Amino acid sequence: DAKTTQPNSMESNEEEPVHLPCNHSTISGTDYIHWYRQLPSQGPEYVIHGLTSNVNNRMASLAIAEDRKSSTLILHRATLRDAAVYYCILRDFGNEKLTFGTGTRLTIIP
Amino acid sequence: DTGVSQNPRHKITKRGQNVTFRCDPISEHNRLYWYRQTLGQGPEFLTYFQNEAQLEKSRLLSDRFSAERPKGSFSTLEIQRTEQGDSAMYLCASRPVLSGPGDTQYFGPGTRLTVL
Repeated sequence: DAKTTQPNSMESNEEEPVHLPCNHSTISGTDYIHWYRQLPSQGPEYVIHGLTSNVNNRMASLAIAEDRKSSTLILHRATLRDAAVYYCILRDFGNEKLTFGTGTRLTIIP
Repeated sequence: DTGVSQNPRHKITKRGQNVTFRCDPISEHNRLYWYRQTLGQGPEFLTYFQNEAQLEKSRLLSDRFSAERPKGSFSTLEIQRTEQGDSAMYLCASRPVLSGPGDTQYFGPGTRLTVL
């Protein structure tokens, strides 16, 4: 599985935008970029995914570099409920499993 | 959509005992996954089912671990002769029938196992 690199931790002020980076320099052409997050004492939950184009949904936006070797998860206006560990995952077609790294622990400062 | 449920939520056992966990996936999700998560780490894939067929097993799934999904609905994960290293959160996830590589897995809240 292609590897991703994320900062161990980040802090952001409440109601400010948050940009969570992910490097995946060995990404293959068929790898989808997934983001999940895990709130304290809960299972992971899906945030967003993309292949080549930038994506938006009600939770976040995903900005994918033109060469696809990096991506950024954007939370437009962080709330205290967004405090979680955020995982960037590459998943190839036909590969059923998700390979999690250690993720980025996001702390939101009131 | 009631979500993925797992029981029990917590289990404390003594070393050497057997334990069994249950996962009820979202209705009509034919794919079911088990993951294990130790403190400070991301979840690690253990195994997955398509309906009742177990299609992939990780090397992490030692001979003491067995997973079943007899009728293609709920699944059980049994650990025999538990060891302290088995202490972890065991997570279950499911995915719909018609889904592609971009589609999401829906996770349950997990079962936290503590082996004394």
